[in-house]
Amino acid sequence: GAGVSQSPSNKVTEKGKDVELRCDPISGHTALYWYRQSLGQGLEFLIYFQGNSAPDKSGLPSDRFSAERTGGSVSTLTIQRTQQEDSAVYLCASSSGSGGSVTGELFFGEGSRLTVL
Amino acid sequence: AQKITQTQPGMFVQEKEAVTLDCTYDTSDPSYGLFWYKQPSSGEMIFLIYQGSYDQQNATEGRYSLNFQKARKSANLVISASQLGDSAMYFCAMREVIRTGANSKLTFGKGITLSVRP
Repeated sequence: GAGVSQSPSNKVTEKGKDVELRCDPISGHTALYWYRQSLGQGLEFLIYFQGNSAPDKSGLPSDRFSAERTGGSVSTLTIQRTQQEDSAVYLCASSSGSGGSVTGELFFGEGSRLTVL
Repeated sequence: AQKITQTQPGMFVQEKEAVTLDCTYDTSDPSYGLFWYKQPSSGEMIFLIYQGSYDQQNATEGRYSLNFQKARKSANLVISASQLGDSAMYFCAMREVIRTGANSKLTFGKGITLSVRP
């Protein structure tokens, strides 16, 4: 498909385990974003990649969270030593906008629902 | 201060009537973009409409229009002729350029729930 693809769609894990969430953006999109959405809440910004620039990590809630983007395409969000408060839907989005542009809507994936028991 | 404020806790509208969803924003940057997204119960995020800070005209997309009042820093979404399928959560978002080329993330408000009654 031509949209943003995320996997897994659902992940149930035990407290203390590490998890990896994957995002495959739309081909050619230079910008990639990770957001977190708790039940019934708004979207919380986590991290933003723009081309080859250093990522904006200002939204990562703790050092247990990290993300990388390989080859300017696929991104992996890693949560180490998961806690129950990490339970949420993790949304990935991509955009064709450049770093200095305010236009260009974000195209979202369907999200990865994480449940930490 | 919050960048995007959506204070309406929940809105109800009768089918075929118009409804306005409020959004106010806070920025000192002269260049910014405003977006509205719809999130139905299925969870997908659907882009609805965009307004640039320098755009002279209010944006329109089909039944959606944006009432952009720059001096008041408000960007309200107007949905005309509501349909049952419009029932969803609606998010207002803003993109700023803090430093050229350095930061253009989208910041979202907490959202508004809209329910359309038959």
